Amino acid sequence: SQQGEEDPQALSIQEGENATMNCSYKTSINNLQWYRQNSGRGLVHLILIRSNEREKHSGRLRVTLDTSKKSSSLLITASRAADTASYFCATTTNSGYALNFGKGTSLLVTP
Amino acid sequence: NAGVTQTPKFQVLKTGQSMTLQCAQDMNHEYMSWYRQDPGMGLRLIHYSVGAGITDQGEVPNGYNVSRSTTEDFPLRLLSAAPSQTSVYFCASRGGTSFYNEQFFGPGTRLTVL
Repeated sequence: SQQGEEDPQALSIQEGENATMNCSYKTSINNLQWYRQNSGRGLVHLILIRSNEREKHSGRLRVTLDTSKKSSSLLITASRAADTASYFCATTTNSGYALNFGKGTSLLVTP
Repeated sequence: NAGVTQTPKFQVLKTGQSMTLQCAQDMNHEYMSWYRQDPGMGLRLIHYSVGAGITDQGEVPNGYNVSRSTTEDFPLRLLSAAPSQTSVYFCASRGGTSFYNEQFFGPGTRLTVL
């Protein structure tokens, strides 16, 4: 069963604005990852945050994790048109190798 | 490195036909997996393998078969295609058995079953 659930399903912003996406999950996790998928392409790994970490940065990306609320957020600062894509959170539990994906947030950044 | 490659990119089948989706990686990764992506459903795990000769079922294994005879290749077989198997299929690989290693995805195979 799918573990993660992203919110919102779709987000439209203008270039230069910040974009925030949220992910909620159901069971205890080992780590949480965020992926980007451009239209018609495969998924690209963006960032991984471990269950004992609260915040992580990578370039214009900032990820937070709140294990007490079973939720994570992905912040993209100073968005660009090239950030237009679908963003997925995925979790790994200690009991398996599989990544459990959410349904994704579709981000549109207009010039 | 080519990374994870998948063939074909597109395929149209008739109900009842069988076919094999190919997946190969040149990163010497032990872990490989197959996902299907349907509109509004995200990615769902079909089968995975933690090394040559070892495979296991994921969330939606029915109608699919896999084998792993080499580290590099992980083909997915559709035994008797059904319209419900119309989807985009992604293969992925990950180095080692650590849960902290990122997964690399192939470009996908878009399959239509008529």
